[in-house]
Amino acid sequence: AQSVTQLGSHVSVSEGALVLLRCNYSSSVPPYLFWYVQYPNQGLQLLLKYTSAATLVKGINGFEAEFKKSETSFHLTKPSAHMSDAAEYFCAVTEGDDMRFGAGTRLTVKP
Amino acid sequence: DAGITQSPRYKITETGRQVTLMCHQTWSHSYMFWYRQDLGHGLRLIYYSAAADITDKGEVPDGYVVSRSKTENFPLTLESATRSQTSVYFCASSVERGAADTQYFGPGTRLTVL
Repeated sequence: AQSVTQLGSHVSVSEGALVLLRCNYSSSVPPYLFWYVQYPNQGLQLLLKYTSAATLVKGINGFEAEFKKSETSFHLTKPSAHMSDAAEYFCAVTEGDDMRFGAGTRLTVKP
Repeated sequence: DAGITQSPRYKITETGRQVTLMCHQTWSHSYMFWYRQDLGHGLRLIYYSAAADITDKGEVPDGYVVSRSKTENFPLTLESATRSQTSVYFCASSVERGAADTQYFGPGTRLTVL
């Protein structure tokens, strides 16, 4: 069975600073990996997904994530945080039919 | 409007009452899902449906009932609400299930059971 662990339930960065949100997965086979973002009082929106085509995946709003098989990681990064990036971010993995979500990381951006 | 909608957005009810949460999608996606979101747990799958009249249990189905008589609608019913069912409920849809297929989420229903 697969699972996903997000390290850090809360991350705070200053505007313009690097954003790094960590996600590790466990899977017996190469997984499909996703990052979703949830803005306040809204549903989840897909940021990006890894489907084995390329290890570095670029998503919307300047986010990207790199799949590292040796580290079983799929960390989300953005070079320069914007106030509008404040939200909750969920890493998810599918192996077979089920999508499993991490507990989420709340990103705060300070002016 | 196109997309996936949920109603009501907010609901307060009492223990023991029946509550139905509605979900409607306009994409004609085959698959629909119900999740609950609780602090520290992320999203957990309650039920899903592969097509009209085909439903199956997810990770946390106890206390919930679903139906899908039409492709576009997937209501979730709490037959006798309990306080532990206080949560935010999300409906989602997708073309396929699993693998690389993206799920599209509704705005959620915040349910409080007193």
